[in-house]
Amino acid sequence: EPEVTQTPSHQVTQMGQEVILRCVPISNHLYFYWYRQILGQKVEFLVSFYNNEISEKSEIFDDQFSVERPDGSNFTLKIRSTKLEDSAMYFCASPRSKGAQTQYFGPGTRLLVL
Amino acid sequence: QKEVEQNSGPLSVPEGAIASLNCTYSDRGSQSFFWYRQYSGKSPELIMFIYSNGDKEDGRFTAQLNKASQYVSLLIRDSQPSDSATYLCAVMLHFGNEKLTFGTGTRLTIIP
Repeated sequence: EPEVTQTPSHQVTQMGQEVILRCVPISNHLYFYWYRQILGQKVEFLVSFYNNEISEKSEIFDDQFSVERPDGSNFTLKIRSTKLEDSAMYFCASPRSKGAQTQYFGPGTRLLVL
Repeated sequence: QKEVEQNSGPLSVPEGAIASLNCTYSDRGSQSFFWYRQYSGKSPELIMFIYSNGDKEDGRFTAQLNKASQYVSLLIRDSQPSDSATYLCAVMLHFGNEKLTFGTGTRLTIIP
């Protein structure tokens, strides 16, 4: 049983285009995280989201990135003008229960920027 | 720069033997430590977490933490071919700052 679901599973886009990645966490979770993993490299933290606000973001998470909770059931990660180096797997993660420290990862979206 | 270091491997272990995976971290303030397993092309899957010094066992897996040495390890007993994967060590600084800092992972191959 997946902890979180992500769509799309794969996305191919042209450089400079906007992409929106979606994640549906376990119901009623307030904490939410986005990570990325460039092929062959380590998983890197992008941003944490708590109670509809960004609580922390990394240096990677520049002005080209944004996160939103457009409704009560899903979160989005938007990249406004994609670059070649944005090609990566993007994972969302969420704890199973409020106050838990363990993060469970979604299946990921593989983004390829051409 | 807060780092998490792992030997990238590959580490080859015969089926049925014990696999030992190691991780060191640089920030002494780190509070929580996690081991994830990642199959090729898949997302990280949580195996174990540990907060206190000592050992924590869960089935065939044992996590060991030594905060004085800033060292975390994962032992896999009775290794199976299905254990072949990349094992990621992740560190959380403290509750209230829950971002995970990952190591590069150790690729483990179990030889039948």
